[in-house]
Amino acid sequence: DAKTTQPPSMDCAEGRAANLPCNHSTISGNEYVYWYRQIHSQGPQYIIHGLKNNETNEMASLIITEDRKSSTLILPHATLRDTAVYYCIVRVESGNTPLVFGKGTRLSVIA
Amino acid sequence: DSGVTQTPKHLITATGQRVTLRCSPRSGDLSVYWYQQSLDQGLQFLIQYYNGEERAKGNILERFSAQQFPDLHSELNLSSLELGDSALYFCASSVDASSYEQYFGPGTRLTVT
Repeated sequence: DAKTTQPPSMDCAEGRAANLPCNHSTISGNEYVYWYRQIHSQGPQYIIHGLKNNETNEMASLIITEDRKSSTLILPHATLRDTAVYYCIVRVESGNTPLVFGKGTRLSVIA
Repeated sequence: DSGVTQTPKHLITATGQRVTLRCSPRSGDLSVYWYQQSLDQGLQFLIQYYNGEERAKGNILERFSAQQFPDLHSELNLSSLELGDSALYFCASSVDASSYEQYFGPGTRLTVT
């Protein structure tokens, strides 16, 4: 079972920042937070991951709270092509633990 | 384009039949993963191979089996097919067995009638 809780859906205006929340209150000290997204029936795509520090790459920023019980994925300037289901996943980085996908958040970017 | 290829793209078959789905990982990736995505179950991990050896097993039915060949391509065999096996089957690959980033293929859509 997924160890994360996400809102089922969100809307965002094109050009605005999309802030997608994720609760992971039972996260362990060695578990990372990963974000993937899936654009309609395509294979999921890795976005970003982090342990406790905030992370930023060319796609998004990841803000993790100090107690690590929740995080927010930020798409700074959402476009229509960002419409997708976004999955927040917690997983240890090493070892053979698989990615466990929950239901995710369906983000709709509106023109 | 993730660099992972899957064939066929679509497959329609009857209950009780057997099918084989094929996956070629990205060049240089040693680990292959199989996932099943159905409307009611979401995206579920089935099995992982690393350099030809099974590394992790998820919710894979006994009617399903997989293998990874010396050239690192992988096949997922589904037998005694049931209507409920209709789903999208994704293959993903990563550099090693524990990489944080998995690259997913475009999927094979299986329809069992």
